[in-house]
Amino acid sequence: DIQMTQSPSSLSASLGDRVTITCRASQSIYSYLKWYQQKPGKVPNLLIYAASVLQDGVPSRFSGSGSGTDFTLTISSLQPEDFASYYCQQTYSTPRTFGPGTKVEIK
Amino acid sequence: EVQLVESGGGLVKPGGSLRLSCVASGFPFNNAWMTWVRQVPGKGLEWVGLIKSKTHGGTTDYAAPVKGRITISRDDSKNTLYLEMNSLKMEDTAVYYCATDCRDCVDYWGQGTLVTVSS
Repeated sequence: DIQMTQSPSSLSASLGDRVTITCRASQSIYSYLKWYQQKPGKVPNLLIYAASVLQDGVPSRFSGSGSGTDFTLTISSLQPEDFASYYCQQTYSTPRTFGPGTKVEIK
Repeated sequence: EVQLVESGGGLVKPGGSLRLSCVASGFPFNNAWMTWVRQVPGKGLEWVGLIKSKTHGGTTDYAAPVKGRITISRDDSKNTLYLEMNSLKMEDTAVYYCATDCRDCVDYWGQGTLVTVSS
């Protein structure tokens, strides 16, 4: 099975900050990576698929990059609505493992 | 508009069984690979399993913690996905989401249904 790790597990940031979350796979997953945002009590919301393709309607301040084993989600200028948890998921093979998540909190 | 609506959650005793349903609309369900994901309240997301479309064999794959205790099935005539869970444990308590499965494209999620395993 492919293991997914994320770092950091949590971070505190201020409005307007640039935020970077890293996701690493235990073996190459090419570009089969998704990023989700989840707010408390809500359904996970797909932000990015195929490592770097922005889902329709997702603000352009979100971007994804990487391939192989190392991936990054970047929020260029943190907005109030971005405080949430973020999960990566590999879709290269089954089981389609998720990362443990990164909680973005207000500083 | 794509919609996925889960039902069937509730309170069940340890060792009990439950069947969740997910009714789909707004897309060609028979062509879709479908998946179940669960989330213990306050914890992370956990992939449970998937079922391929009939054109891809309709085969299933399950996560290790639930393998042997769950069965995912589909009724394309009813646009419905099922998750049958047996020998339930307290650690199976979670919100269960159905979702479309697509390796490199957009996926869609239902609102989730809560399963509570408790005596």
